[in-house]
Amino acid sequence: AQTVTQSQPEMSVQEAETVTLSCTYDTSESNYYLFWYKQPPSRQMILVIRQEAYKQQNATENRFSVNFQKAAKSFSLKISDSQLGDTAMYFCAFMKGNNNDMRFGAGTRLTVKP
Amino acid sequence: NAGVTQTPKFRVLKTGQSMTLLCAQDMNHEYMYWYRQDPGMGLRLIHYSVGEGTTAKGEVPDGYNVSRLKKQNFLLGLESAAPSQTSVYFCASSYWDQSNSPLHFGNGTRLTVT
Repeated sequence: AQTVTQSQPEMSVQEAETVTLSCTYDTSESNYYLFWYKQPPSRQMILVIRQEAYKQQNATENRFSVNFQKAAKSFSLKISDSQLGDTAMYFCAFMKGNNNDMRFGAGTRLTVKP
Repeated sequence: NAGVTQTPKFRVLKTGQSMTLLCAQDMNHEYMYWYRQDPGMGLRLIHYSVGEGTTAKGEVPDGYNVSRLKKQNFLLGLESAAPSQTSVYFCASSYWDQSNSPLHFGNGTRLTVT
């Protein structure tokens, strides 16, 4: 079974600074996808970024980027120029191939301070 | 567009009672999912559907049933509620499988079973 571990239950960062959220996963699969989802206080989950395992290049979406280390099974999320609106729970998720059973980590609560 | 709408938003049940959660999406998505979110555990997939008239089990299907009679609706049923089913339930949909299209989530239903 695939497992996703987020070792940081809570983090905080000052507005405009950079923060990195950690995620590790365990799998024997070679074809898989990794995701970061954001859950603000409104409770609605929002996709932040995705990474295909077969791509060596790290995915980026504006201020959000990942550091994908396939051999180490690590998938960290870097948020640059943090904004107050980035305050949320962040979930790392893993999905094998085109299997629809996405596995989520326990989440990291990020607080951006003014 | 309303996106993904879940009803009700809150519900309190007594042990042994039954209820149905309704999820409706207006994006013509093929895939729909039911997740539960518990503290410290992230989201776990209960059941999902890859199209009208189809359903499949996820990671934690026991105690739940689902139906997808219409493409836009995905119902989650609890026949005999138990305190262990106290959770926040999220419905999600995607146009195609999650490897190629992002999940769109509803705002969740908080269910308490006493």
